[in-house]
Amino acid sequence: KAGVTQTPRYLIKTRGQQVTLSCSPISGHRSVSWYQQTPGQGLQFLFEYFSETQRNKGNFPGRFSGRQFSNSRSEMNVSTLELGDSALYLCASRFGETGGANVLTFGAGSRLTVL
Amino acid sequence: GQQVMQIPQYQHVQEGEDFTTYCNSSTTLSNIQWYKQRPGGHPVFLIQLVKSGEVKKQKRLTFQFGEAKKNSSLHITATQTTDVGTYFCVGKIQGAQKLVFGQGTRLTINP
Repeated sequence: KAGVTQTPRYLIKTRGQQVTLSCSPISGHRSVSWYQQTPGQGLQFLFEYFSETQRNKGNFPGRFSGRQFSNSRSEMNVSTLELGDSALYLCASRFGETGGANVLTFGAGSRLTVL
Repeated sequence: GQQVMQIPQYQHVQEGEDFTTYCNSSTTLSNIQWYKQRPGGHPVFLIQLVKSGEVKKQKRLTFQFGEAKKNSSLHITATQTTDVGTYFCVGKIQGAQKLVFGQGTRLTINP
């Protein structure tokens, strides 16, 4: 079956702009979570959506937002971009929350560069 | 707050040497998972540990979950250049629908 698909894979923006990233989970997976990865900070959790509801949220400013659609696809948006937002943004999906369903499958990521 | 400390942050070894990374949680976990991320790649699931004191092996990799379900380790015996990458743990907080992430250990190997 198809894996987790993230688009776009690479993008360059300038400070002050906004960006929307998309994530299509594995078919049947109800949960999508988003992460920011930078060399200095490692993997930082942004938020998780489960059946269109935000279940958990990390410690990021309100400029970072997300949503999940009824088909489980998810988008995240970053407004008023700052240089420090340059990072690899990963999304992951999982089927459920117990046992083997709890395993995260990551997408290849969207690499954002802010100039 | 709830977090998982992972050490070391970096480890450089000679090929053939052993490698270990440790995760310690401030709270009890219901399970812990390990992932590997190759340079330029995305994290890939390795294993999940659920039971107290559980030990699992995958070829040269040995994973342990502590008796108190607050710590875990990944040990690689006789490293090979294919082991290069960042290894990180992900724990599920017991009684909560929340995952906590280790910062990762970046392993580099001198051939």
